[in-house]
Amino acid sequence: SQELEQSPQSLIVQEGKNLTINCTSSKTLYGLYWYKQKYGEGLIFLMMLQKGGEEKSHEKITAKLDEKKQQSSLHITASQPSHAGIYLCGADTPGGSQGNLIFGKGTKLSVKP
Amino acid sequence: SQTIHQWPATLVQPVGSPLSLECTVEGTSNPNLYWYRQAAGRGLQLLFYSVGIGQISSEVPQNLSASRPQDRQFILSSKKLLLSDSGFYLCAWGDKNNQPQHFGDGTRLSIL
Repeated sequence: SQELEQSPQSLIVQEGKNLTINCTSSKTLYGLYWYKQKYGEGLIFLMMLQKGGEEKSHEKITAKLDEKKQQSSLHITASQPSHAGIYLCGADTPGGSQGNLIFGKGTKLSVKP
Repeated sequence: SQTIHQWPATLVQPVGSPLSLECTVEGTSNPNLYWYRQAAGRGLQLLFYSVGIGQISSEVPQNLSASRPQDRQFILSSKKLLLSDSGFYLCAWGDKNNQPQHFGDGTRLSIL
């Protein structure tokens, strides 16, 4: 079965610094989703990537899917305290159940003011 | 616009008691609906999904059950809760395959 591994598990950065979170799949990715979660709350959808080499940006967050479609990265530029939270990557399961996703265990981001 | 509601937000139940968590979606028709459990250190685990009224699929064997009595209503139930049922439960909906799922605010369930 497919697995998603996220790194690092946790990250503490100073406000204003850039950071990158990685999501590596054990199999080819056909749809990769990035979500953000604040503790005790639901997941907020950030971005979806489907094509190898695809890159999307929203405000100061950029996500990329590598050409081989087995790894995605999430990059935050000039981090702010509002970026703090848990970032999760999710992936489609081709040949599996309808629209089901598997998720990584998340990366906890703390931003020090 | 579409919205998803989950309740209650928190719940404390004794072992052996029944459970009913409700999730409703507005602003869309015939969505796929999902129940997840998030436990510390274990990530997000899919429990049930439904592609239509009365159609429920289970991803893992467990003490819980799900039902979809109406198009936009998804219910998670148990007849007798176990300590291991504690966790954060999230409901989600999706329009079709290969589109993002959208999540509710979650229910924190504590079993005593």
